[in-house]
This record gives sequence, structure tokens and C-alpha cells, in this order.
Amino acid sequence: AQTVTQSQPEMSVQEAETVTLSCTYDTSENNYYLFWYKQPPSRQMILVIRQEAYKQQNATENRFSVNFQKAAKSFSLKISDSQLGDTAMYFCAFGGNDMRFGAGTRLTVKP
Amino acid sequence: NAGVTQTPKFQVLKTGQSMTLQCAQDMNHNSMYWYRQDPGMGLRLIYYSASEGTTDKGEVPNGYNVSRLNKREFSLRLESAAPSQTSVYFCASSDDRGLGTKNIQYFGAGTRLSVL
Repeated sequence: AQTVTQSQPEMSVQEAETVTLSCTYDTSENNYYLFWYKQPPSRQMILVIRQEAYKQQNATENRFSVNFQKAAKSFSLKISDSQLGDTAMYFCAFGGNDMRFGAGTRLTVKP
Repeated sequence: NAGVTQTPKFQVLKTGQSMTLQCAQDMNHNSMYWYRQDPGMGLRLIYYSASEGTTDKGEVPNGYNVSRLNKREFSLRLESAAPSQTSVYFCASSDDRGLGTKNIQYFGAGTRLSVL
């Protein structure tokens, strides 16, 4: 079975600093997709970044970047220059049609 | 752009009552999904539909039925609601044909359901 594990239930960071959220997964597949979604208090699920497993280059999206280690099945999210609006739950997700989500990390950005 | 629209936003049911959660997308996506979100557990897939006329079970399908009415609409039905089905329900859709957008799921705003 495919599983996604986020080992940090809560994290906090000072505004303008950098924070890294961890995610590990388990699969026997070779080609797949990985995602980070953000869920602010409004409850809306917002895509942050996507990584295709066959691409060795780590995905970046403005202040957001990932460290994808396929052999270690690790997919961490780095947020640079943290902003107050980054405060949210962050979910790591794996797969395609049968998407599996981690339990989430609650990130608080402090002024 | 409306994107993915879910109705209702809130609902309270009594045990044993039935109801249907509605979902519609206007992005011409071929795939649609229903998830439930419980505290501390992230999102879990209930059912998905890879194309009009097809549906498949996800991780937690028991107690639910779905209908892919047409390409735009995908409904979730609780025939006899139970307190264990108290949750926030999300509908999502994706376009699995475009290389740049493959498997990116776009979510509705969610339905908060309480079963007493």
C-alpha cells in the first residue's frame, strides 16, 4: 500500500526566515507524481508545487522549492523568506488518480 | 472562473437520514474525486471517476455511493448517515491529458457535514 508520512505535526518560523517541511512516502511504483498542497484557515486546498518522479531536477515555484530524493523516498518542502500569509496546514501527497495524503504539518509564521 | 463548486457548504443530519453532496466543475476535466478530511488524518479518497460513466473505489468507500452524471458533475450520496461520517468533504477534478497539468487536482471549498 502507498503511504505518506509527515513527521512534523506543527512547526513555526519567524517572518522572512526559511523553513523546511518533511515528507516521506512508500511505493513500489517507478513513475509517479508528488505534490505539496496548502490549506489556509479558509479550508481551500491550494496546490503549492508538483514534482514528477522521472525528473531529477527539483521543482521550484518562486519562494517554494523541494528536495526530492527518490532513492530515499523523501520529498521535503522549503519555504524561503516566509510570509505571514504562509501560515496554513501543508499536506504532502503522492500519486495520480488514487492520491494519498499525509496527515499534514501546521505551519505558523510569526511576525 | 468558478472552478470546482460544491453544494451545500454546511449540513446537519440525523443518524439514518440520507443526502447527496453535489459537485460540478467547469474546467472540462475528465477526472473527478471525492475526499473526506478528518482531524489529524489528512484527506482520504472515497471514490473517483476517471471519465464519464466510470467510477472506482478509493481508500474509504464504505457507506457511500457516487454518480458521474455527466462530464461536469460528480455526486456523493450517503444512504443512511452515521455519526462516523461526520467530516469535511472535498470534491476535486483534474485534467490527466495535458503534460503540464497531469494529475494536478483542483479542489472545491468543501462541505462540513455533521451527523447527530
